[in-house]
Amino acid sequence: SSVLTQPPSVSVAPGQTASLTCGGHNIGTKSVHWYQQKPGQAPILVVYHDSARPSGIPQRFSGSKSGNTATLTISRVEVGDEADYYCQVWDSSSDHVVFGGGTKLTVL
Amino acid sequence: QVHLVESGGGIVQPGTSLRLSCAASGFSFNNYGMHWVRQAPGMGLEWVALIWNDGTHELYADSVKGRFTISRDTSKNTLYLQMNSLRGEDTAIYYCAKSKSGSGPPYDPWGQGTLVTVSS
Repeated sequence: SSVLTQPPSVSVAPGQTASLTCGGHNIGTKSVHWYQQKPGQAPILVVYHDSARPSGIPQRFSGSKSGNTATLTISRVEVGDEADYYCQVWDSSSDHVVFGGGTKLTVL
Repeated sequence: QVHLVESGGGIVQPGTSLRLSCAASGFSFNNYGMHWVRQAPGMGLEWVALIWNDGTHELYADSVKGRFTISRDTSKNTLYLQMNSLRGEDTAIYYCAKSKSGSGPPYDPWGQGTLVTVSS
């Protein structure tokens, strides 16, 4: 099944832009979804179908994809954005749901 | 408002069984696929199983296939995960999640999770 690769950690200063990547073979042909998980809490959906944003999610969160890499971009980062972020796809070749290993976003 | 509440977690010995439940409310339960996802302590998210909205199809991660069974009871708006032959590596928080549309991902929302500890 697909393997999704995420950097283990990303650090950014408040007010700056964070770019979290998710790489995978043929990810360009798959719909990518992103989740935010804060310590002790369940994950929440922040971007789906590559770039759509659920209601209630700030416009500061955006998604994009190019080649074999999907990117979650968080603009004007706030301390409250500090969390683990996971990408996810449906791998139709194996009929499995696949998560990336997650990226811990630290706001310095 | 959509609400998912898991229950049934606990401490069990290796080789034994446990059944998790996920009570759903606030939406038409039989219109959406439902999933179980787990998270071992300090680790990332791992998909466990999926059941179609109408219950006709089930899919499992290789790590649990043949040991776990996902099911749903539309009359009770409840999702289940029967876990047999439990192993130490099954220790995790188990989350149920609703498909945002149809039966596949993305998931929106997730329940708060229930902790399963497999230990002798």
